[in-house]
Amino acid sequence: GAVVSQHPSWVICKSGTSVKIECRSLDFQATTMFWYRQFPKQSLMLMATSNEGSKATYEQGVEKDKFLINHASLTLSTLTVTSAHPEDSSFYICSARWRSPGELFFGEGSRLTVL
Amino acid sequence: KQEVTQIPAALSVPEGENLVLNCSFTDSAIYNLQWFRQDPGKGLTSLLLIQSSQREQTSGRLNASLDKSSGRSTLYIAASQPGDSATYLCAAPNAGGTSYGKLTFGQGTILTVHP
Repeated sequence: GAVVSQHPSWVICKSGTSVKIECRSLDFQATTMFWYRQFPKQSLMLMATSNEGSKATYEQGVEKDKFLINHASLTLSTLTVTSAHPEDSSFYICSARWRSPGELFFGEGSRLTVL
Repeated sequence: KQEVTQIPAALSVPEGENLVLNCSFTDSAIYNLQWFRQDPGKGLTSLLLIQSSQREQTSGRLNASLDKSSGRSTLYIAASQPGDSATYLCAAPNAGGTSYGKLTFGQGTILTVHP
């Protein structure tokens, strides 16, 4: 299957700082990637759809100015959590679609802890 | 709006047992359904993808079935092993024919297989 890689896998930051998380499709091109968020003992919730070369689309209730998404190439999408606060602490997972409307492959996830 | 429910929430079985995990979804206009495995603190591993035209898919000891008309899918695990212990997630596409790649996840079934 296709491989999706995330970096960093684990990050701790101070409240008020910004954190960037990268999502890469290693062996295929992904015009569309998706960002999910998972709180402890809960399931994944879709945050936004990252579109290569255009603006991301956000799900209802997700602040686009807080969660900046950039999809500058066919293999890389980045999620920047701006002015992070403790309530932003979560597990962030990206996915990329391999073929359309095909199977989705997920990254290893990035655990963000905001102090 | 798509809603996905998984039963049971948790399951503990002795090694060697065959078991069934259940998933139900409210919007049956799906083009596929995917089963994932998640180990603690890790990302998602795709287990099986069933296209809407299929009734089942098999991979090794895993067999997933799909009944769109009733809004149900089952994941059958044969001869369970301790290494199968993980959270199993069912995911169905969001309502709306253009939502390719946007998934709604169930809450998961936490499986423990003890030696």
